[in-house]
Amino acid sequence: GAVVSQHPSRVICKSGTSVKIECRSLDFQATTMFWYRQFPKQSLMLMATSNEGSKATYEQGVEKDKFLINHASLTLSTLTVTSAHPEDSSFYICSARRDSSNQPQHFGDGTRLSIL
Amino acid sequence: AQSVTQPDIHITVSEGASLELRCNYSYGATPYLFWYVQSPGQGLQLLLKYFSGDTLVQGIKGFEAEFKRSQSSFNLRKPSVHWSDAAEYFCAVAPVIRTGGFKTIFGAGTRLFVKA
Repeated sequence: GAVVSQHPSRVICKSGTSVKIECRSLDFQATTMFWYRQFPKQSLMLMATSNEGSKATYEQGVEKDKFLINHASLTLSTLTVTSAHPEDSSFYICSARRDSSNQPQHFGDGTRLSIL
Repeated sequence: AQSVTQPDIHITVSEGASLELRCNYSYGATPYLFWYVQSPGQGLQLLLKYFSGDTLVQGIKGFEAEFKRSQSSFNLRKPSVHWSDAAEYFCAVAPVIRTGGFKTIFGAGTRLFVKA
């Protein structure tokens, strides 16, 4: 089956640090990738949708300058949390999809971000 | 607006007992339907999907789901639950929009507890 690799799995860093999370589709070309944030015991909140070679589309309420998304190739998207603060601590999950309306999303294993 | 409802926040079943997790959606046409499972601290794994055709779909790990158009439901079932099935289960809907892409909408999730 389709495999999506997300790295790192866990990050602990000081407030003010910028953190980059990578999402790779290992065995298929992902024209579209999604970034989610998940709070404890809650569902996934879509942050943004990124298409290869174009700017990401952010959901309402998500700060573009805070959460920088780059989708430079068909197998890699990155999320950079800039100048992270404790309130940015969360579980971030990426997913990737082939560009076809009948394809499901395949998810990475998530990144646990803890800002001290 | 499109929505997905999982009425049960959590369910407890005995190992070996049957399981049914409920999912209802609200959408003007038949959407694409998915069930995902999430183990603690991990990403989501696709269990099964429905696009069209046979309304009873088989998935991995012995799960199946039945699409009922008249009830706008897509309930997940398993005849005999194993302790390893304890996890969070998400129902998801993917309406096809005219731009050719779509966003997947996730339910709030149902946490499954399995008792010995």
